[in-house]
Amino acid sequence: KNEVEQSPQNLTAQEGEFITINCSYSVGISALHWLQQHPGGGIVSLFMLSSGKKKHGRLIATINIQEKHSSLHITASHPRDSAVYICAVGDSNYQLIWGAGTKLIIKP
Amino acid sequence: DTAVSQTPKYLVTQMGNDKSIKCEQNLGHDTMYWYKQDSKKFLKIMFSYNNKELIINETVPNRFSPKSPDKAHLNLHINSLELGDSAVYFCASSQGWGDQPQHFGDGTRLSIL
Repeated sequence: KNEVEQSPQNLTAQEGEFITINCSYSVGISALHWLQQHPGGGIVSLFMLSSGKKKHGRLIATINIQEKHSSLHITASHPRDSAVYICAVGDSNYQLIWGAGTKLIIKP
Repeated sequence: DTAVSQTPKYLVTQMGNDKSIKCEQNLGHDTMYWYKQDSKKFLKIMFSYNNKELIINETVPNRFSPKSPDKAHLNLHINSLELGDSAVYFCASSQGWGDQPQHFGDGTRLSIL
């Protein structure tokens, strides 16, 4: 079993839909990261959180430390949101453990 | 201005050669990283480095070595390149270790012939 599990692996939705991507982890963490990788390959850090909830524009990230679970939400999704979304956790040994990513496609 | 820059963007070379990929960050961060993204798009950390400590992923062959001339640079040297080294390599930086946001370079696509 992977230490960081993301679901779903692939997600296709229509423009305007509310999107949720989930991340579960099994290790003790110092922080959890959500990153975005566009088809061109560049990686952008979206959020880093260790508790509660963060919001940036149409993106919202939440984390429940007790349940070892985080979600990334996208409101009013747009085709430009199409990308791979990656969850990664920083553990107490300064290692970053990555999920396999969720490929999101938003159709106009 | 690019925050984390990698060069070259593309690298095509023969098996057995030695090559380097350069990474520079102008964010004043104290920690830099190298990642390998394999054909299945998994991102695997290779090295984490700051001015005090180098952490090596034990699965990384010793043909790979990081070199840091100063805090703003972390170059990746690869000796005796093998076909399996073909991948996209990403450099990143952060202030502090794994509990801080990381800023990524655009990646270097390495192809071994």
